[in-house]
Amino acid sequence: QKEVEQDPGPLSVPEGAIVSLNCTYSNSAFQYFMWYRQYSRKGPELLMYTYSSGNKEDGRFTAQVDKSSKYISLFIRDSQPSDSATYLCAILKTSYDKVIFGPGTSLSVIP
Amino acid sequence: GAGVSQSPSNKVTEKGKDVELRCDPISGHTALYWYRQSLGQGLEFLIYFQGNSAPDKSGLPSDRFSAERTGGSVSTLTIQRTQQEDSAVYLCASSSQGGRSEKLFFGSGTQLSVL
Repeated sequence: QKEVEQDPGPLSVPEGAIVSLNCTYSNSAFQYFMWYRQYSRKGPELLMYTYSSGNKEDGRFTAQVDKSSKYISLFIRDSQPSDSATYLCAILKTSYDKVIFGPGTSLSVIP
Repeated sequence: GAGVSQSPSNKVTEKGKDVELRCDPISGHTALYWYRQSLGQGLEFLIYFQGNSAPDKSGLPSDRFSAERTGGSVSTLTIQRTQQEDSAVYLCASSSQGGRSEKLFFGSGTQLSVL
């Protein structure tokens, strides 16, 4: 079983839609949860970071962690064409451990 | 700029040749990672340097792959006797906040093509 799984998509939505991106992980020892955005031919960039369970909001983006279900989500409100990218979830056991990435979901927001 | 710098940005080589990929992390970042990303795939962990600790080499796919980090800064990933399946984008990242890994800064990668 992979440590983190993510639907690869591709996901295509109209501009203005609410987007939901999800990952599941296998080990309850993971405590840190991140979402990275990767544009074509670029390295990933950190979008959201959450420690333990709960929600975190930043503008149009909300990250949600449910440790009981081992499920993490990223919601994008009022999606824009500039949100078109690959979104990778990432998990971490301790602050000084190696980061494990999901395979990424490709998102296209159609004007 | 002061971001993570990788060179070369593109490398085309013949099967069986050795290649060296370079990563210049952000100054002061003590943790450095190498990942590999194949077309349409996620990031595959290769190796992790954290300060003066022994590197975590658990992701290196074979003994043809090696990496070193000199002086706690620049890192070189070496692939010996390259194979076609080594073709991928090789990404380097470094982390801030005293080496904590919650926030990684990535370079733009080296696109390696093995003919």
